[in-house]
Amino acid sequence: QPVLTQSSSASASLGSSVKLTCTLISGHSSYIIAWHQQQPGKAPRYLMKVEGSGSYNTGSGVPHRFSGSSSGADRYLTISNLQSEDEADYYCETWDSNTHVFGTGTKVTVL
Amino acid sequence: QLQLQESGPGLVKPSETLSLTCTVSGGSISSSSYYWGWIRQPPGKGLEWIGSMYYIGSTYYNPSLKSRVTISVDTSKNQFSLKLTSVTAADTAVYYCASGTPPYGIDVWGQGTTVTVSS
Repeated sequence: QPVLTQSSSASASLGSSVKLTCTLISGHSSYIIAWHQQQPGKAPRYLMKVEGSGSYNTGSGVPHRFSGSSSGADRYLTISNLQSEDEADYYCETWDSNTHVFGTGTKVTVL
Repeated sequence: QLQLQESGPGLVKPSETLSLTCTVSGGSISSSSYYWGWIRQPPGKGLEWIGSMYYIGSTYYNPSLKSRVTISVDTSKNQFSLKLTSVTAADTAVYYCASGTPPYGIDVWGQGTTVTVSS
């Protein structure tokens, strides 16, 4: 059973919002996760970390339309005012005892 | 601002050892403020964590790769390295070096380097 579960794809219209979910395995519901964006043909980019409390901290230069939240074992990434450059793969990451694991990624399509 | 740059051969023969180096700028590799790691991405697939090294020299590896992986640091050159032995075609991937601030996740990525395993 994977530590992190992500939907394979999501889509939304230009200018609208999309909410991505990363679900932690049972017993890990308090864990912090990080979100990373990977645009086509590029290296991943760190977006933010999201805590179980729902608080989040974005990386340097990340637009304000990216936000995070939590509910139970779910960690969310919401992209507001969706732009064409937001079309990308989004990965969540967590860690335990200095070992790390990534989710399978969600491909976001901007319609 | 921390920046990372991978370097190394783009082609490795099966059964040989893959060796990559990551050069760190904007920060000291000896600092306890960071940890250093490697992640890879096979063609068309997702991200796979390979391993990480911390300030005190402790290394942690993906259990699926542990028997073949070594991560080491060269403080004189402000670099860290990855060695993966006995490679096969399944090790063909883009390899990224990365960094994070303990005890959190990765927050800086290198641009990646493509390694193909083929005779």
